[in-house]
Amino acid sequence: DAKTTQPNSMESNEEEPVHLPCNHSTISGTDYIHWYRQLPSQGPEYVIHGLTSNVNNRMASLAIAEDRKSSTLILHRATLRDAAVYYCILGERGSGNTGKLIFGQGTTLQVKP
Amino acid sequence: NAGVTQTPKFQVLKTGQSMTLQCAQDMNHEYMSWYRQDPGMGLRLIHYSVGAGITDQGEVPNGYNVSRSTTEDFPLRLLSAAPSQTSVYFCASSPGRSNSPLHFGNGTRLTVT
Repeated sequence: DAKTTQPNSMESNEEEPVHLPCNHSTISGTDYIHWYRQLPSQGPEYVIHGLTSNVNNRMASLAIAEDRKSSTLILHRATLRDAAVYYCILGERGSGNTGKLIFGQGTTLQVKP
Repeated sequence: NAGVTQTPKFQVLKTGQSMTLQCAQDMNHEYMSWYRQDPGMGLRLIHYSVGAGITDQGEVPNGYNVSRSTTEDFPLRLLSAAPSQTSVYFCASSPGRSNSPLHFGNGTRLTVT
């Protein structure tokens, strides 16, 4: 499975945008880029995913580099509730693969009031 | 919908004891999987299933058995518990459509003494 590299930790101020980077230089043409986050003492929750184009949803935006070797999760206005571990994961395209996403160590995001 | 339900929430075992962690989902999802998370670490995939009657190994399958006799249930069995299996266990499911998100349970915290 292709691997991702994320910073161990990042800090942000409340109500400011946050850009969480992820490198995936060995990504294949069929890999989707998934982001999950895990709040303290909870199971992970889905944030967003994409293949080639930038994606937006109510939680965040995903900016994917043109060569797809890196991506950035953007939280437009961080709140204290966004303090969590954020995981960037590559998943093979096609059914049968979403049940076996391989999680790395993720980025621990601290949000300061 | 209850989503993904894991029982028990907490369990303490002695070395050598056996037990089954239960996972049930009421969303008619095809895919189910088990992860473990050790303190300060990311999630590691133990076993996964792409449908009733079909299971496969993940990254760290040793010491664990699974079966999938129904779509709803995916129990994880520890045949002879070891202290190295002390961890938080998460069950997840997804619909099986290409790259649909994983839905996680709230975890079972297992301590083996």
